[in-house]
Amino acid sequence: AQRVTQPEKLLSVFKGAPVELKCNYSYSGSPELFWYVQYSRQRLQLLLRHISRESIKGFTADLNKGETSFHLKKPFAQEEDSAMYYCVLTSGTYKYIFGTGTRLKVLA
Amino acid sequence: DTEVTQTPKHLVMGMTNKKSLKCEQHMGHRAMYWYKQKAKKPPELMFVYSYEKLSINESVPSRFSPECPNSSLLNLHLHALQPEDSALYLCASSQTAGTGVYEQYFGPGTRLTVT
Repeated sequence: AQRVTQPEKLLSVFKGAPVELKCNYSYSGSPELFWYVQYSRQRLQLLLRHISRESIKGFTADLNKGETSFHLKKPFAQEEDSAMYYCVLTSGTYKYIFGTGTRLKVLA
Repeated sequence: DTEVTQTPKHLVMGMTNKKSLKCEQHMGHRAMYWYKQKAKKPPELMFVYSYEKLSINESVPSRFSPECPNSSLLNLHLHALQPEDSALYLCASSQTAGTGVYEQYFGPGTRLTVT
């Protein structure tokens, strides 16, 4: 069965510190993985997808098929990064499976 | 226009009422989705339409009735709801899966309260 696990419900870091939001998935085929972000009072929006290998707002994520992970990283956290982050898996069949989400709080 | 719009923003309804939620996009997307999101939980997929045809129904109770009258519009008709149906209802759209996988664009949601 397809499953996405985000082990941390809440992650608090100080401004300027590195941040890593963990995501592990369970899927037997070739997954497509995304990170979506929801800032306070804003809609869900795409942060990045593994296939594009872009860096958005300083965030990067590398797909590790051996460890079935897609962790989100940023070397220096900013206060405006505080938000809810969802790791999302799809196999291309219109089913997008969300992880439980990690709330990131960046402290001043 | 790269936005998904949803109306109304808030809706309060009694258990015997009939109401509808509306979603609209003008990005030319041919896949549209309804999700339900309870507080502090991730969105849960309810329905998917592809080319105006229902592709996925995630065993949603019949008191929720989706409709896709054209490629830009998606409705969710509500009837005889229960208090536990109170949630944020999100609409999303994307290009069709086809040979690629595409990001979803989400609307701001309709906050539904069933009394």
